[in-house]
Amino acid sequence: DAGITQSPRHKVTETGTPVTLRCHQTENHRYMYWYRQDPGHGLRLIHYSYGVKDTDKGEVSDGYSVSRSKTEDFLLTLESATSSQTSVYFCAISESAGWGYGYTFGSGTRLTVV
Amino acid sequence: LAKTTQPISMDSYEGQEVNITCSHNNIATNDYITWYQQFPSQGPRFIIQGYKTKVTNEVASLFIPADRKSSTLSLPRVSLSDTAVYYCLVGAPRDDKIIFGKGTRLHILP
Repeated sequence: DAGITQSPRHKVTETGTPVTLRCHQTENHRYMYWYRQDPGHGLRLIHYSYGVKDTDKGEVSDGYSVSRSKTEDFLLTLESATSSQTSVYFCAISESAGWGYGYTFGSGTRLTVV
Repeated sequence: LAKTTQPISMDSYEGQEVNITCSHNNIATNDYITWYQQFPSQGPRFIIQGYKTKVTNEVASLFIPADRKSSTLSLPRVSLSDTAVYYCLVGAPRDDKIIFGKGTRLHILP
């Protein structure tokens, strides 16, 4: 999607290894979000950011950390990957004051933990 | 954040009008209703948003009754490419975050 890029698009990693996913935006939007999507669960919010160095937890934040040192980048880190973290991860951005103005989602990162 | 309930799945045929209803009994005064569409292997895409009555854009219409406890997304003359998952979300636009439910899996048949 224009303005938002996720990397890598696919990754296979071993249990216990650290993994960092990157979300990069060129829209200068204040709000950024990380979601995971699993069959039967829909989209679940992991963490979100409302500005540089300002982050907060979502509904499934255990095992994940995030950092936002620049407006354009929002990093999601799995400190020690587990098989339960195998999922598709989506980043989203919004322009101002939250979701009501419409989220723009990235194309996703498919992570497999073996 | 208001809880929403929508059908898990629906089937329809090309050329038909499809209506997907979402229940949100505890919607608050400041809440808006927003629908997203997600194709396989892609992130969700904003379709339409409304507060009351009817909203129409080039993709869909959104019908909201006076009590606002439910809403209906209407897709006119669907095609195979409308096969996707559709999410109904309810919340105040200034909320910092929104929770997606499981959505409705719409399957269009030829």
